[in-house]
Amino acid sequence: AQTVTQSQPEMSVQEAETVTLSCTYDTSESNYYLFWYKQPPSRQMILVIRQEAYKQQNATENRFSVNFQKAAKSFSLKISDSQLGDTAMYFCAFMKHGDNDMRFGAGTRLTVKP
Amino acid sequence: NAGVMQNPRHLVRRRGQEARLRCSPMKGHSHVYWYRQLPEEGLKFMVYLQKENIIDESGMPKERFSAEFPKEGPSILRIQQVVRGDSAAYFCASSPQDVDTQYFGPGTRLTVL
Repeated sequence: AQTVTQSQPEMSVQEAETVTLSCTYDTSESNYYLFWYKQPPSRQMILVIRQEAYKQQNATENRFSVNFQKAAKSFSLKISDSQLGDTAMYFCAFMKHGDNDMRFGAGTRLTVKP
Repeated sequence: NAGVMQNPRHLVRRRGQEARLRCSPMKGHSHVYWYRQLPEEGLKFMVYLQKENIIDESGMPKERFSAEFPKEGPSILRIQQVVRGDSAAYFCASSPQDVDTQYFGPGTRLTVL
């Protein structure tokens, strides 16, 4: 069974600085997808970034980028130039290619301080 | 293009009553997924449906819970004889055929008194 671990329950960062959220996962699959979702106080689940396991290049979306280490089964999220609106719960998720259900980590609560 | 719609956003039920949660997928999406989120936890998969078919219900409790996605209309997650432990946020997600990224609705927060 696939498991996703987020070892940092809470983190904080000063506005405009950079923060990295960690995520590790356990799988025997070779073809899969990894995601980071953001859940602000509104509780909406918002897709931040997605990575296909067969791609070696790390995905980036504006201020968000990932460090995908397939051999280490690590998928960290880097947020550059943090903004107050980045304050939210961040969930890492895994999904096997062709599968139906995503496995989520327990989340990291990020607070951006002014 | 409207996103995934869920209603109601908040639902309060007394123990023993029925809860019906509705989800309208994004336009053009034929795959619907339901997840449950307990307080301070990540989302847990419940069920995956396509039109008129339940594809995978491995995450759904065997009793009191059911889901459907009819040919016309929204997907429905139904919880019969609710208990306090059913209190949670229930999220629906949808995806286009053959695409794996799931887009989430705003969730329904169910409170059982």
